[in-house]
Amino acid sequence: GAGVSQTPSNKVTEKGKYVELRCDPISGHTALYWYRQSLGQGPEFLIYFQGTGAADDSGLPNDRFFAVRPEGSVSTLKIQRTERGDSAVYLCASSSLVDSYEQYFGPGTRLTVT
Amino acid sequence: RKEVEQDPGPFNVPEGATVAFNCTYSNSASQSFFWYRQDCRKEPKLLMSVYSSGNEDGRFTAQLNRASQYISLLIRDSKLSDSATYLCVVRERSNYQLIWGAGTKLIIKP
Repeated sequence: GAGVSQTPSNKVTEKGKYVELRCDPISGHTALYWYRQSLGQGPEFLIYFQGTGAADDSGLPNDRFFAVRPEGSVSTLKIQRTERGDSAVYLCASSSLVDSYEQYFGPGTRLTVT
Repeated sequence: RKEVEQDPGPFNVPEGATVAFNCTYSNSASQSFFWYRQDCRKEPKLLMSVYSSGNEDGRFTAQLNRASQYISLLIRDSKLSDSATYLCVVRERSNYQLIWGAGTKLIIKP
C-alpha cells in the first residue's frame, strides 16, 4: 500500500518568506508526527497530532512554526518569516496507534532558506 | 548532556566481520528502546525493538542494560548493504515521544 508522502521533496526559499510543507499519512493512521533533521543529527520532535488535534506541540521552536490537520488526515506544517537556521529536512511520520512504537516516515522535505 | 548519545563513527568494517555499537540514555524512566536504520538522504526505518531480555533478528542482536542505561546493536556477518546510519531511539514511560540519538555511521567495505 501507499506509504507516507510529503510534498514538495525540495523547497528553496528566501529568508523572510512563508512556506508550507505537506504530509499525507498512511490511510487510517490516526497519529501523525512532524520532525526536523539537521545534517549529522537525529530527528528532532516538533509536533504530534492525534486525529485533528495537536496533542503535543512542545517541540515547535517558536511561534513562527504552526501545523494543522483539519480533517484528521493530511497535515500542513507552516513556517512564517523563514530564517536560515530553519534549513533542514522536515520529516513526517504516522502510526496506527498513539502508543505504537513503529512510526512510518515519509521521504521528507528538504528546506533550504537562502 | 544529550538524552541519547551515540558514537557518530564512522565505523569502517570489512564485509563479513562482526560489528557492535552502543548507545546510552540519560532518563532512567525510559520505557521502550529501538534501533532505526537510515540510508543516506532517506527516511529512518525501524530495524528492531530492544527488549529487556535481549532479542535477535537474523544477523542482528539487540541488548538492553537498564542498570547502566545503555543499548547495544550487534551485526554479524556484515553485508555491504548494511552500510547506513543506525539511530538509537528511546521512549519515556509516560510519553509517546521518541527521543533520537544522532546516529552511528557504518560503512561496510568489500
